[in-house]
Amino acid sequence: DAKTTQPTSMDCAEGRAANLPCNHSTISGNEYVYWYRQIHSQGPQYIIHGLKNNETNEMASLIITEDRKSSTLILPHATLRDTAVYYCIVRGNTNAGKSTFGDGTTLTVKP
Amino acid sequence: EAGVTQFPSHSVIEKGQTVTLRCDPISGHDNLYWYRRVMGKEIKFLLHFVKESKQDESGMPNNRFLAERTGGTYSTLKVQPAELEDSGVYFCASSQLDTTGEQYFGPGTRLTVT
Repeated sequence: DAKTTQPTSMDCAEGRAANLPCNHSTISGNEYVYWYRQIHSQGPQYIIHGLKNNETNEMASLIITEDRKSSTLILPHATLRDTAVYYCIVRGNTNAGKSTFGDGTTLTVKP
Repeated sequence: EAGVTQFPSHSVIEKGQTVTLRCDPISGHDNLYWYRRVMGKEIKFLLHFVKESKQDESGMPNNRFLAERTGGTYSTLKVQPAELEDSGVYFCASSQLDTTGEQYFGPGTRLTVT
């Protein structure tokens, strides 16, 4: 699986958009980009994933660059409950399912 | 729909004892995964079941760890004998066989070996 690089931490004001970057320059053609988050000591929570097109769901938007070497997770209106560690994971779309978690980005939403 | 459940939520045992962790995946999910986070480290993959078969157990640290999924429903992870370095949080996740790999995680079992 491709390695990802994320900033260690970020702050965001409540109500503003949070933009979390991820670099995955060694991503291969059949690998998807997945985003998960872990709030405090809970289990990781799936947020969104994509292959090459931008994706949006009720939680977030995912913007993937044309060369697919980086992506950005966007939380459009961050709330205090979005404070969490956000993980960008790249892996092939197979039933192998083995997710490689890095250190992630600690997002702190401030009032 | 019930999510992935894990039991117990916490376990404190002494070095050398045996502990069995249980995971109940979401009903109908054929894929079941075990992960763990030891203190200060990243979440690491342990193994993957497809139904009752072990698909990938490359992350299992050593032969003190035994995972089973009899009948392809719930899974157990036994640690015997437990060592101090086994302390951490053990997560279970499940996914459908024909999805794009979206995994649903349980709340984890916090294991403390003293």
